[in-house]
Formats: sequence, structure tokens, C-alpha cells
Amino acid sequence: AQSVTQLDSQVPVFEEAPVELRCNYSSSVSVYLFWYVQYPNQGLQLLLKYLSGSTLVKGINGFEAEFNKSQTSFHLRKPSVHISDTAEYFCALKTSYDKVIFGPGTSLSVIP
Amino acid sequence: AAGVIQSPRHLIKEKRETATLKCYPIPRHDTVYWYQQGPGQDPQFLISFYEKMQSDKGSIPDRFSAQQFSDYHSELNMSSLELGDSALYFCASSLGNRDSYGYTFGSGTRLTVV
Repeated sequence: AQSVTQLDSQVPVFEEAPVELRCNYSSSVSVYLFWYVQYPNQGLQLLLKYLSGSTLVKGINGFEAEFNKSQTSFHLRKPSVHISDTAEYFCALKTSYDKVIFGPGTSLSVIP
Repeated sequence: AAGVIQSPRHLIKEKRETATLKCYPIPRHDTVYWYQQGPGQDPQFLISFYEKMQSDKGSIPDRFSAQQFSDYHSELNMSSLELGDSALYFCASSLGNRDSYGYTFGSGTRLTVV
């Protein structure tokens, strides 16, 4: 069975500082990896995805993530955060012919 | 671009009542997934349909049922509602159940049971 772990439930960071949200996964088969963002009282929006190829993936809003197969990680990074980045971030994985499984989420709070 | 449409956006029901949530996938998408997100929790998979047939089932209570219609829209029927059913219900769609491009989610239906 597959699983996703997000080690930090809450991450406070000052505006314009860099941030890294950690994600680790477990799977015995190849996976596709995703990061979704959920703003307060809104739906889920896809930030970026890793399917294959280059391990560094760039997404929307200046976010990027790096797939590390040996460490089974897919950490999300942004060099300089804004107040508007305050949201819940979900790491997720999918295998072929299967549903998306979400991690428990990380609440990012950007402090002015 | 067209997105996944869910209706209603908000729904308030009393305990033991019945609720029906609707999901209209992106045009030409043939696969629909339902998720339940409780307060402060991650989305939990309920059920999915591919080409109008149930393709997978998660932690969906027996009080809930769902189906996908010929036009590919889906409905989630919830009976004998309990306070614990209060949650945000998401629908997502994809093209084929082997789609590796992630889901496109709707904005969700917020169900409040009082």
C-alpha cells in the first residue's frame, strides 16, 4: 500500500523568507507525485506534478519541488513567500490505475 | 477552460435527513472521484466511477451511495445524515482511470448537518 507523510503540520515563516515543506512517500511501485494548495474555504488547486524525467519540477506561483527517489521525498520550496501564500498544502501520490492519496497537509502561515 | 462543477456549494441539513450532491466533470472526462474532507483533515477517498461503472471504493459509509450517469455527471446520495457527516465534499474528474496528470477538483460542497 502507498502512503504519504508530511512531517510538519504547521510552518510559520516571515514574509519574503524562503520556505520548504517536506513530503515523504512510501510505495512499492512507481508513483506520480503532486502538490496541491487549498486556500481558506476554497477547493484544491494543483501546484505542480512529477510524472517522470527531470527531478526538479516547477509549478505555479513560484513554487518548485524536487523528486528524490533514493530518499522517497518530494519537498516543496519557494525562495521568497508572500502573505498570499498562506494556505494548506497537500502532498499527494498516485500510481497507475489507482486513486490519488493525500498526505495530512501542512499549514503554511506567512507572517508580515 | 471548463472546470469541474459541483452543486450545491453549501448545504445545511438536519440529522437523519437525506442529501444529494452533484458533480459535473470536465467535458470528455469519463472518470469521477469523490472525496470527503473533515475539518482540519486531509481529503479521504470515498468512491470513483469510470465509464459509469464503480471503479474503486474507499471509506464510504453504507448510508452513502453514488452513481455516474450517461452524461458522466455523478451524484452522491447521503441518507440518515449524522453530525459527523459535516464536511467538505470534493469531486474530481480525469480522462481515463490511468490518467497520470492528477485530478482536476471542483470547488466542493460544504455540508453542514445540524
